[in-house]
Amino acid sequence: GQQLNQNPQSMFIQEGEDVSMNCTSSSIFNTWLWYKQDPGEGPVLLIALYKAGELTSNGRLTAQFGITRKDSFLNISASIPSDVGIYFCAGLPLSTSGTYKYIFGTGTRLKVLA
Amino acid sequence: DTGVSQNPRHKITKRGQNVTFRCDPISEHNRLYWYRQTLGQGPEFLTYFQNEAQLEKSRLLSDRFSAERPKGSFSTLEIQRTEQGDSAMYLCASSLRGSGTEAFFGQGTRLTVV
Repeated sequence: GQQLNQNPQSMFIQEGEDVSMNCTSSSIFNTWLWYKQDPGEGPVLLIALYKAGELTSNGRLTAQFGITRKDSFLNISASIPSDVGIYFCAGLPLSTSGTYKYIFGTGTRLKVLA
Repeated sequence: DTGVSQNPRHKITKRGQNVTFRCDPISEHNRLYWYRQTLGQGPEFLTYFQNEAQLEKSRLLSDRFSAERPKGSFSTLEIQRTEQGDSAMYLCASSLRGSGTEAFFGQGTRLTVV
């Protein structure tokens, strides 16, 4: 099935550092969602974005809906050990407008070194 | 009601057996989704319901798979004649029409076919 590209695929960072990751597609999306998934658990919704250029924060997390509508970005400030996990983007393509078939990214695996 | 509930959390079955999973969505959420996630991948869309109507099915959903949501509340996903390739995490999510398109996931059912 179709999946969105996420970069980086994985990253090790020191506690306290800021983290940036992105999600890209060749097609236009109406909605972007960001999730965090811990091993053996379901994805937990972090942030939802609905308009091009929209910037939304949730605590130390900030996400942006790209102006081209083909990408989205997630930043984590001052990372802490519990930020460890896999971050997924998910979107609703314009081409499937009217349906709710979310397309997921390949994931960014974050590891935080204390 | 604190979230989407899935049962069982884990299921080990022998090849060729039938299995059934249950999903209880967040109360009043009228949309319900099933996704499958294999190791190292993002979730892949299988099917979704609006109330009791199954509105879309992925080509991933072979004829051995069937999903129902008979009264527009809980849903079941049945896999007949399981194969080793069916081993995966099966995730259920729900969302509320009219409040954006945020989808909230359950903890998943991990299926292992031996």
